[in-house]
Amino acid sequence: GAVVSQHPSWVICKSGTSVKIECRSLDFQATTMFWYRQFPKQSLMLMATSNEGSKATYEQGVEKDKFLINHASLTLSTLTVTSAHPEDSSFYICSARDSSGGPYNEQFFGPGTRLTVL
Amino acid sequence: AQSVTQPDIHITVSEGASLELRCNYSYGATPYLFWYVQSPGQGLQLLLKYFSGDTLVQGIKGFEAEFKRSQSSFNLRKPSVHWSDAAEYFCAVGAGYQKVTFGTGTKLQVIP
Repeated sequence: GAVVSQHPSWVICKSGTSVKIECRSLDFQATTMFWYRQFPKQSLMLMATSNEGSKATYEQGVEKDKFLINHASLTLSTLTVTSAHPEDSSFYICSARDSSGGPYNEQFFGPGTRLTVL
Repeated sequence: AQSVTQPDIHITVSEGASLELRCNYSYGATPYLFWYVQSPGQGLQLLLKYFSGDTLVQGIKGFEAEFKRSQSSFNLRKPSVHWSDAAEYFCAVGAGYQKVTFGTGTKLQVIP
């Protein structure tokens, strides 16, 4: 149980285009999902916290107009990188917290999406 | 603010040898602590977690970790390392419904 999927697993796009990444909890409901960015050989940097039915909470320094997050259902959150540029190239990982899990805060991680902007 | 320190960026051990990865945390209350493993190009897999109770926690793949409040540490151990354990390991801290903070990771290399 507790499987989180991401789609696509990798994507290459041209500079200036927008890319949408999906994060799904397959066998549980997730009131809260998280989006992380990971640069090569570095740790995960939390970008935003996504709550179902409400606006995402962005971490300091993360441009909310560039990284659009939508959490329209209890099993799906999407991250759209708008007007992507080469510096947006990175590994994006989502995680989901089981709504029934109480305060134990365990997050289940997706396999990640490799974005390359040319 | 909560923080996690993993002092070892890279560790190399021989297959069959014991392993200890260090993790120190800073948190104002009783923390929830996690160890995750990440293989290249993959997401994170939870190895083990500590919420309360017994300070020695058993996880998957033969890993264990010990919570030491007096030292603010949560070191990960394995008595005998296998080549398949080569990966990046992340310690993380969080509590309640707060966000989880990750350490910078320790890359484990296993040599034959």
